[in-house]
Amino acid sequence: DVKVTQSSRYLVKRTGEKVFLECVQDMDHENMFWYRQDPGLGLRLIYFSYDVKMKEKGDIPEGYSVSREKKERFSLILESASTNQTSMYLCASSSNKITDTQYFGPGTRLTVL
Amino acid sequence: GENVEQHPSTLSVQEGDSAVIKCTYSDSASNYFPWYKQELGKRPQLIIDIRSNVGEKKDQRIAVTLNKTAKHFSLHITETQPEDSAVYFCAASWSNDYKLSFGAGTTVTVRA
Repeated sequence: DVKVTQSSRYLVKRTGEKVFLECVQDMDHENMFWYRQDPGLGLRLIYFSYDVKMKEKGDIPEGYSVSREKKERFSLILESASTNQTSMYLCASSSNKITDTQYFGPGTRLTVL
Repeated sequence: GENVEQHPSTLSVQEGDSAVIKCTYSDSASNYFPWYKQELGKRPQLIIDIRSNVGEKKDQRIAVTLNKTAKHFSLHITETQPEDSAVYFCAASWSNDYKLSFGAGTTVTVRA
């Protein structure tokens, strides 16, 4: 059974702080993704990674960066948090088979004050 | 990139009735169309998917239909039950691209 975990369920940070969100998957998946979920906007892709040390920008990468030093771990970094980054952040992973299912983590609700 | 539009944004149905959610996509090269269900406070989970070589797929009370010519696909839930209350997301992707483009979601409420 695929398991995707995220480091925190709830996080409160102050404007300007550096924020790290971590995601770990245990299925040896090659692909990992970070989304943010906002009401009425669905799931928007921030960054994704096809392999260790590889990263690609998604639809809304501004204000974010990522790191993938190990295959099972994908980190999302907010270099200087802003109030408009208050959101639900979801991590997902999938195998390298074409059109395989994406499995999601439980999400991190981040509030930036 | 792919653009996926989803309607309606909210849907309220009486228990036992059917629910239909429709999505349209812009990229004719898209060939994989999954549907995710997200219950309140939980993670999105795949409930059914369809590939472009198939026009319809059914799994118990849920079914998905695909019209490649019109570039739209739909989720059908029959005999709705209270546990069907959730947010449903459609998505689309192209076979050479592992990314999914999601619709904005439909909040389904099943009234007892």
